[in-house]
Amino acid sequence: GAGVSQSPSNKVTEKGKDVELRCDPISGHTALYWYRQSLGQGLEFLIYFQGNSAPDKSGLPSDRFSAERTGGSVSTLTIQRTQQEDSAVYLCASSSGRINYGYTFGSGTRLTVV
Amino acid sequence: GENVEQHPSTLSVQEGDSAVIKCTYSDSASNYFPWYKQELGKGPQLIIDIRSNVGEKKDQRIAVTLNKTAKHFSLHITETQPEDSAVYFCAAMGGGADGLTFGKGTHLIIQP
Repeated sequence: GAGVSQSPSNKVTEKGKDVELRCDPISGHTALYWYRQSLGQGLEFLIYFQGNSAPDKSGLPSDRFSAERTGGSVSTLTIQRTQQEDSAVYLCASSSGRINYGYTFGSGTRLTVV
Repeated sequence: GENVEQHPSTLSVQEGDSAVIKCTYSDSASNYFPWYKQELGKGPQLIIDIRSNVGEKKDQRIAVTLNKTAKHFSLHITETQPEDSAVYFCAAMGGGADGLTFGKGTHLIIQP
C-alpha cells in the first residue's frame, strides 16, 4: 500500500478483556516495529520483526503482550486481560530493512481501557 | 546499546524566529540520524535525516547538523510558522542490526 495502515484507529475496551490491534505495512517492507506512546510521552519500543527471523521481543512489558506477523506482511499485536495502564497509542512502523533507512509510521491505534 | 538524549523537552518561540533542538548519542558506531515530526493525533513523520559521512544537510527551512566527534546532532528550523508546532523526535541507528533509538521528544510551540 501507499502507507502503513493501522486498525482500528480507536478502541475502547473494558478492563480484563483481550484486544487485537492490526498493522498493514508498506508492501515490500521486510521490517516491522511496534511502539507504545503514553499520553505526552516518547516512543516505547515493544517488538521488531525482520523478514523470517525470530522477532525481537525485548520491549514487551509483560507476558500479556504478544505479536505475530503472518506471511511477512500483516502484523497483529494482542494484549490479554487489559489493564488501565495499557491505555496508550500503539504505533506500528515499517522499513525496507536496510541499514540506515528510516521508518514509516502508521497513524496509530488509541487504546482506552475503562 | 544506544542511548539518545534530547533537549529541550519543550521549546516556545515567536513566529518567524529560529528553533534549535539538540540530541546526543552514546554509540560511536551509530551512523544514521533521522528526525520525525508528530502532529496531534498522527503518527511520527520523517522530515529529514543525515548519515555519518556528512556534517550538515538542508531542506528549505529545515537543517540538521552532525558532530561525530562530540556525538551530537541538532535540528534547526528557520522562519518558524504556526504549522511547525508539533512534537519532534530525534533518533539514532547503530552500526549493527539494531533499530532506531529515539529521544524523548521536544514539544515545539510557535507563538503568534
